[in-house]
Amino acid sequence: DAKTTQPNSMESNEEEPVHLPCNHSTISGTDYIHWYRQLPSQGPEYVIHGLTSNVNNRMASLAIAEDRKSSTLILHRATLRDAAVYYCILRGGFGGGGADGLTFGKGTHLIIQP
Amino acid sequence: EADIYQTPRYLVIGTGKKITLECSQTMGHDKMYWYQQDPGMELHLIHYSYGVNSTEKGDLSSESTVSRIRTEHFPLTLESARPSHTSQYLCASSYGGGAYEQYFGPGTRLTVT
Repeated sequence: DAKTTQPNSMESNEEEPVHLPCNHSTISGTDYIHWYRQLPSQGPEYVIHGLTSNVNNRMASLAIAEDRKSSTLILHRATLRDAAVYYCILRGGFGGGGADGLTFGKGTHLIIQP
Repeated sequence: EADIYQTPRYLVIGTGKKITLECSQTMGHDKMYWYQQDPGMELHLIHYSYGVNSTEKGDLSSESTVSRIRTEHFPLTLESARPSHTSQYLCASSYGGGAYEQYFGPGTRLTVT
């Protein structure tokens, strides 16, 4: 799977929007952009994913650059419960190769200040 | 909410014991996965399965083994636990392929003394 680059940590205030960036300059045409988050002492939780167009769901929005070399996860109104490690992961459209598992990096540690 | 379950949630066991970590899902997913995560570290894929009677090793070498004789069930076994096996083990399932998300269980935190 192609590699992604994320900031190690970000800080935001409660009830404000949060924009989490991800760079993936070597993305292939069939790679989907996935975001997961992991709250302390819990398993990862799916947030959102997309291929080319921007995506919205009840948790967040995903903005994908026109050249697909970067994307941004948007939390519209952060709460203290959004404090977690956020992972940006690329997955091949046809299964990502033999393993087809997720390749987790270090992610972005999001800190929410009350 | 994802319907994927892991038991036990926490396990403390002595060296040399045989252990089985249970994972089951009720979503009818063909693909299932096991990940290992040491405290404060990244998750690594250790096993996966495409369906019944299919098991493969993941990116990180592991002394554990897995089986898949039912679609909904994907247990992980350690024949002889060692302190180096102390870690969190996370199970996941998916319809597979990049277009589909993976659903994770709550994890089993294993401590081998």
